[in-house]
Amino acid sequence: SYELTQPPSVSVSPGQTASITCSGDKLENKYVCWYQQKPGQSPVLLIYQDTMRPSGIPERFSGSNSGNTATLTISGTQAMDEADYYCQTWDNTYVVFGGGTKLTVL
Amino acid sequence: QVQLVQSGAEVKKPGSSVKVSCKTSGGTFSSSPFNWVRQAPGQGLEWMGRIIPVFRSANYAQRFQGRVTIIADESTRTVYLELSSLRSEDTAMYFCATDRAFAFDIWGQGTMVTVSS
Repeated sequence: SYELTQPPSVSVSPGQTASITCSGDKLENKYVCWYQQKPGQSPVLLIYQDTMRPSGIPERFSGSNSGNTATLTISGTQAMDEADYYCQTWDNTYVVFGGGTKLTVL
Repeated sequence: QVQLVQSGAEVKKPGSSVKVSCKTSGGTFSSSPFNWVRQAPGQGLEWMGRIIPVFRSANYAQRFQGRVTIIADESTRTVYLELSSLRSEDTAMYFCATDRAFAFDIWGQGTMVTVSS
């Protein structure tokens, strides 16, 4: 079965750029999306179709997908961005989530 | 705007079944895809299955095959998840979510299911 691999944790200083990676075999051939989840809340869609941002999502969130790696980039990271982040793709008709990355802003 | 409202928390005994509901408002129910995703305490997201009401049949993640059933009731605009032969490892928050453009754009608030003797 298809697998997506994320680093368990990433740390960033306020105002700096955070990059969270998501790796999978030939991932560039699939659409990747990203979710943010804060404690006790439902996930929120941040990025879909690799690079697209839903309305209401700040421009500091951006995505890319090349080769075997998709990347979520948060520019000018704010304290409110501290959360868990998940990548997700489709393998035929099945949905696959990455294991999640805890972003710490310190 | 589509909204998803889920049923309340459940406590179940091992070996029993649970049925969680997801009532929808707004949007076109019959042609909308609905998914179920679960999250064990402190763990990541796990997709369980998906249904498009007009097609009636659902597809399920392989690890839940035979134990999970997803159905849609068009008369009440409600989607249900039923999970049988419950074990402690099924203790989790269960979310329903719609998908569009290959992404889960709207999520329910979650239903906590606790399996304990």
